[in-house]
Amino acid sequence: GQQVMQIPQYQHVQEGEDFTTYCNSSTTLSNIQWYKQRPGGHPVFLIQLVKSGEVKKQKRLTFQFGEAKKNSSLHITATQTTDVGTYFCAGPDGGSNYKLTFGKGTLLTVNP
Amino acid sequence: GAGVSQSPSNKVTEKGKDVELRCDPISGHTALYWYRQSLGQGLEFLIYFQGNSAPDKSGLPSDRFSAERTGGSVSTLTIQRTQQEDSAVYLCASKGLEGPYEQYFGPGTRLTVT
Repeated sequence: GQQVMQIPQYQHVQEGEDFTTYCNSSTTLSNIQWYKQRPGGHPVFLIQLVKSGEVKKQKRLTFQFGEAKKNSSLHITATQTTDVGTYFCAGPDGGSNYKLTFGKGTLLTVNP
Repeated sequence: GAGVSQSPSNKVTEKGKDVELRCDPISGHTALYWYRQSLGQGLEFLIYFQGNSAPDKSGLPSDRFSAERTGGSVSTLTIQRTQQEDSAVYLCASKGLEGPYEQYFGPGTRLTVT
């Protein structure tokens, strides 16, 4: 079946450092979504990317969708303690228009 | 009005007992999902409801798991004869039929089987 892999599994940074998490799919994706889950919280939708090579920014967060639509990245510039949490990518499962396959996530911790 | 709600927030049960977990989706959302999240793991799809269509039960791990959605709104996930490996956070999410594909998650129910 389809697999969505994320690396790294964990990342610890000093506040102010940059952070990047990578997401790779075993199949071409029609779109990819990113979610953030704060410790003890629930996943919250961040963004959806649809187009090949698409880049979207949300303040200090930059999301990219690869040209082949099989990989994606989330980059955070100058991390803050509020960025702490697990970042998940998710892609349509087998081309489904409703079912998502989630990666295992990258846990980001930030040392103030 | 409010977001997705789930109850109970925490449930401790003895091995072998049955449990029911409830999800109240966002009003008007026709799609409803159940996921399981084990400690430090990603989200495991369990079941999907969309309107009056037959649910996609392909993610249910065993026949001890079942779910219902009454009146196209509230959903109940039932786990019969609970086992220790059922311990996890059970998350519910809902989604509108049109517009963005984002799923709105509830706070989850933390199930502990002793």
